[in-house]
Amino acid sequence: KQEVTQIPAALSVPEGENLVLNCSFTDSAIYNLQWFRQDPGKGLTSLLLIQSSQREQTSGRLNASLDKSSGRSTLYIAASQPGDSATYLCAPYSGAGSYQLTFGKGTKLSVIP
Amino acid sequence: DTGVSQDPRHKITKRGQNVTFRCDPISEHNRLYWYRQTLGQGPEFLTYFQNEAQLEKSRLLSDRFSAERPKGSFSTLEIQRTEQGDSAMYLCASSLSVTDTQYFGPGTRLTVL
Repeated sequence: KQEVTQIPAALSVPEGENLVLNCSFTDSAIYNLQWFRQDPGKGLTSLLLIQSSQREQTSGRLNASLDKSSGRSTLYIAASQPGDSATYLCAPYSGAGSYQLTFGKGTKLSVIP
Repeated sequence: DTGVSQDPRHKITKRGQNVTFRCDPISEHNRLYWYRQTLGQGPEFLTYFQNEAQLEKSRLLSDRFSAERPKGSFSTLEIQRTEQGDSAMYLCASSLSVTDTQYFGPGTRLTVL
């Protein structure tokens, strides 16, 4: 059974700082991994999907890396802004007869103006 | 593309009552997923539809829960004889294929008194 851990659970940084969020998963046989953000009381917004054959995926100030063999992914946020404050969730998709995404508990990010 | 919509956004009910939620996926997406999220946790998978066929159900989906997707368009999730432990955010997502990005709706927040 896939298990996902996200470290740290919470992070507070001053505006403009670069930061890294970490995600580890126990079953390295994945098809892809998605990163989402969730604002309080809201649904999830997809940020990036990184395929198992890729090592990196970029969208604007966001860069996600994937090391499938070690079961790790990182989300790098450059030049953080107060609007980046949210909970960030990673979710690997394992396939193997199951259609579900498995989520970690997320990292709650606060960017202080 | 209007995104995934869910109705209602909030539902307060008394223990023992039945409730039904609706999800309208992105129009060309034939894959539809239901997840449940409790406070401080990541979403947990409930069930998956490909067109009108329900292909996977989580053990979380007790016999009080039933989901349908008639004609492969919108989906409904019904909870019978609600319990306080059913209080959660119920999230719906859709995708073009199982390996593609899952797009989430805003969720329905259920409170059982």
